[in-house]
Amino acid sequence: GQQLNQSPQSMFIQEGEDVSMNCTSSSIFNTWLWYKQDPGEGPVLLIALYKAGELTSNGRLTAQFGITRKDSFLNISASIPSDVGIYFCAGHNYGGSQGNLIFGKGTKLSVKP
Amino acid sequence: DSGVTQTPKHLITATGQRVTLRCSPRSGDLSVYWYQQSLDQGLQFLIQYYNGEERAKGNILERFSAQQFPDLHSELNLSSLELGDSALYFCASSPRALTNTGELFFGEGSRLTVL
Repeated sequence: GQQLNQSPQSMFIQEGEDVSMNCTSSSIFNTWLWYKQDPGEGPVLLIALYKAGELTSNGRLTAQFGITRKDSFLNISASIPSDVGIYFCAGHNYGGSQGNLIFGKGTKLSVKP
Repeated sequence: DSGVTQTPKHLITATGQRVTLRCSPRSGDLSVYWYQQSLDQGLQFLIQYYNGEERAKGNILERFSAQQFPDLHSELNLSSLELGDSALYFCASSPRALTNTGELFFGEGSRLTVL
C-alpha cells in the first residue's frame, strides 16, 4: 500500500530556531496535509495544500505541496516552546481506499535541554 | 476541543479479554474513522463508517470489529486481546462520506494497556 516517508523522525529545538521537516511518497496525492499532536491530545490540522506547487502559510508555519505531487515540506519559523509535539504529514486522494488519508510516522519536536 | 468524544480515556485489561471503545462524532458529522497509534508506528487506519455503513477498511485485525449506530456514535470492539494491542486508539469524524479535503477532527483517544 501507499506509504509516506517523513523526516526527520525527531529533532530538538531551541527557542527562536527555524525548523524544517518533509514528507515523501512513491505515489502522488491530490492533497497534502500537516497535523500536529500535542501530548495527551488527538492530532489537529495545521495546514492543507490542494495544488501542486502551492505554498501556504499559517502564522509561523509555512508548507509547500511539491511540484511532482509526491512530497511536501513544513517549516516553522522562530520556534517557541509550545511548538513541541509530534507533526504528521498526510496524503489524501479523493476516493482512496484507506479512509482517504495516509499518515506519515511523524516528526517529534522536543526542546533542547 | 474538537467536538469528538471518546470513552474511556484509559483502559487496563488482561490478555484474552474483550473491550469496547466508544466514540461520539462532532455534531452533524456522518463519517467516523478509527485509527491505532502505537509507539513508532504513526497513525494506522483501521476502519471508516459513513451514516451507519462500513465505507473503507484498513489494517484491522479479524479480532477487531466496529459499528456505527443510528445516532451516529461508533464502537470499536477488540477481542482476544494480546500484549501488542496496547496502543492509543483514536476516533475521528468528518461531515461527508469521502472527506474531499482530508480534514479530520480527532478525539483525545483511548489508551489501552494490555497486561
